[in-house]
Amino acid sequence: ETGVTQSPTHLIKTRGQQVTLRCSSQSGHNTVSWYQQALGQGPQFIFQYYREEENGRGNFPPRFSGLQFPNYSSELNVNALELDDSALYLCASSLAGPSNTQYFGPGTRLTVL
Amino acid sequence: QQPVQSPQAVILREGEDAVINCSSSKALYSVHWYRQKHGEAPVFLMILLKGGEQKGHEKISASFNEKKQQSSLYLTASQLSYSGTYFCGTVTTAGTSYGKLTFGQGTILTVHP
Repeated sequence: ETGVTQSPTHLIKTRGQQVTLRCSSQSGHNTVSWYQQALGQGPQFIFQYYREEENGRGNFPPRFSGLQFPNYSSELNVNALELDDSALYLCASSLAGPSNTQYFGPGTRLTVL
Repeated sequence: QQPVQSPQAVILREGEDAVINCSSSKALYSVHWYRQKHGEAPVFLMILLKGGEQKGHEKISASFNEKKQQSSLYLTASQLSYSGTYFCGTVTTAGTSYGKLTFGQGTILTVHP
């Protein structure tokens, strides 16, 4: 069974640029959720994808967008990067539904200069 | 509104016990516990569901008081490997259409030899 993988591991961008982060879900899982974790804080929910559709969204602006592909992998896109976007971005895969465990990937550390 | 965890930090000697609490102001459907070590992904420990069902690691125990919207994680006979930051993530009954996790601020557990 393959775990959740994310790429890249680290990324450095400058303010105003755009970034794409990638996530491959665990084998058998059809749902991917994305979280932003600032230093010293708990993860904050960005959005969730199920069957290639956005299935719920947290308090993040529209410049945060995503995709889910037929193989259930997912991308997180952030446009017009701001300094406050510097964080660890985590994706979690699961089966659909609120009673299922979300398994996290190792994350992508984004630094915006 | 994020759940509130207590204590914020705890220091133990190997073999000692600890309890970490998680309290929400909203009606909960489920509580999910994770441990995160520095620079790593959160690792799933346990999920507690409304109605009493629990799923998780055999060596971890936890409780969920549905009336008080509180959960506690019990760490007994602590080992050095238990060190890390513990997060509770909650799914409110209002959000049961999908699994949006709202995380607490974390409890830092340090176990010394």
